[in-house]
Amino acid sequence: GAVVSQHPSWVICKSGTSVKIECRSLDFQATTMFWYRQFPKQSLMLMATSNEGSKATYEQGVEKDKFLINHASLTLSTLTVTSAHPEDSSFYICSARAATGGGYEQYFGPGTRLTVT
Amino acid sequence: GENVEQHPSTLSVQEGDSAVIKCTYSDSASNYFPWYKQELGKRPQLIIDIRSNVGEKKDQRIAVTLNKTAKHFSLHITETQPEDSAVYFCAAAGAAGNKLTFGGGTRVLVKP
Repeated sequence: GAVVSQHPSWVICKSGTSVKIECRSLDFQATTMFWYRQFPKQSLMLMATSNEGSKATYEQGVEKDKFLINHASLTLSTLTVTSAHPEDSSFYICSARAATGGGYEQYFGPGTRLTVT
Repeated sequence: GENVEQHPSTLSVQEGDSAVIKCTYSDSASNYFPWYKQELGKRPQLIIDIRSNVGEKKDQRIAVTLNKTAKHFSLHITETQPEDSAVYFCAAAGAAGNKLTFGGGTRVLVKP
């Protein structure tokens, strides 16, 4: 149980275009989903917290107009990187926390590797 | 906000020896402390976690200790095996187990 998927697993796009990444909780409902970015050989940096049906909360320094987050249902959150630039190339990982049980654990997706050329 | 420091950044041990990774946190309100193992290009995998009402937790070869007064927690891996080689991250979460703040990671290499 507690499986989180991401799609696509990798994507290459041209500078200036937009890319959408999907995060799905497959066997549980997730009230809260989190989006992280991880550069090579670095730690996970939280970008934003996404709650179903409400606006995402962005971390300091993360441009909300550039990284659009939508959490339309209890099983799906999307991250859209708008007007992507080479410096946006990174490993994007989502996680989800179950809506029930009061647990603290976050279940991570497999990540999406974005390369902007 | 929360700040989590992790040491060492790299750790090389001989197979069969123990490995210890230490983390400190800044927010005394933090109450959930998970440890993740991440292999190259893969998702972080939870290996053990501890809540603030417990001082120690063990799961086979892995143990975590927590000192709330000093605001530090440690991961202990005994009888290390080559498959333990990976990057390990500690993290801390504040009130209601909300968002996680990660340490910088420790690259562990177990030499056969």
